[in-house]
Amino acid sequence: SQELEQSPQSLIVQEGKNLTINCTSSKTLYGLYWYKQKYGEGLIFLMMLQKGGEEKSHEKITAKLDEKKQQSSLHITASQPSHAGIYLCGADPNTGNQFYFGTGTSLTVIP
Amino acid sequence: DAGVTQSPTHLIKTRGQQVTLRCSPKSGHDTVSWYQQALGQGPQFIFQYYEEEERQRGNFPDRFSGHQFPNYSSELNVNALLLGDSALYLCASSPGPGARETQYFGPGTRLLVL
Repeated sequence: SQELEQSPQSLIVQEGKNLTINCTSSKTLYGLYWYKQKYGEGLIFLMMLQKGGEEKSHEKITAKLDEKKQQSSLHITASQPSHAGIYLCGADPNTGNQFYFGTGTSLTVIP
Repeated sequence: DAGVTQSPTHLIKTRGQQVTLRCSPKSGHDTVSWYQQALGQGPQFIFQYYEEEERQRGNFPDRFSGHQFPNYSSELNVNALLLGDSALYLCASSPGPGARETQYFGPGTRLLVL
């Protein structure tokens, strides 16, 4: 079965610091998605990566997918309290199969 | 546009009871997927409905069933509730079964089974 492992499980950083969250798949991915979830709420779509080596940025968040399409990283530059929440990676193993999520990374940003 | 809406927001049931959760998709979306998110875990795919039929199903027992109506809204039914069914149930809608990038999530229904 498809598995997505995220690391670290939780992260506490000082405001202004940079941080990286990793997502690793046991199989080649068709698409890799990053979501943010405020505690107890629904998921907000951040970015989708589909091509090996692809990199996308939105404001201070950058996501990359490695050439083998099995590992992705999410990097936040100069973190702010508004970045706090749970970051989840999700994946399509290939078209038509069910969508999988990682276990999530809980981010706390201390002002 | 109200986005994806779910009702109720919270629910408390006892073991053995049955529960129905409801989801209204975002305007223009015809596909609804349901996920179960246990505390501290990532969401687990339950099933997806498109054209009023279950198109895909995750590893959940038959106690979990669903329905999609002609207006694309959907219901998730869980019979014979177990303590382990306590979770946040998320509904997501999209303009088609494979449209993951444009999958919008609702705020969820938090179910507590006592």
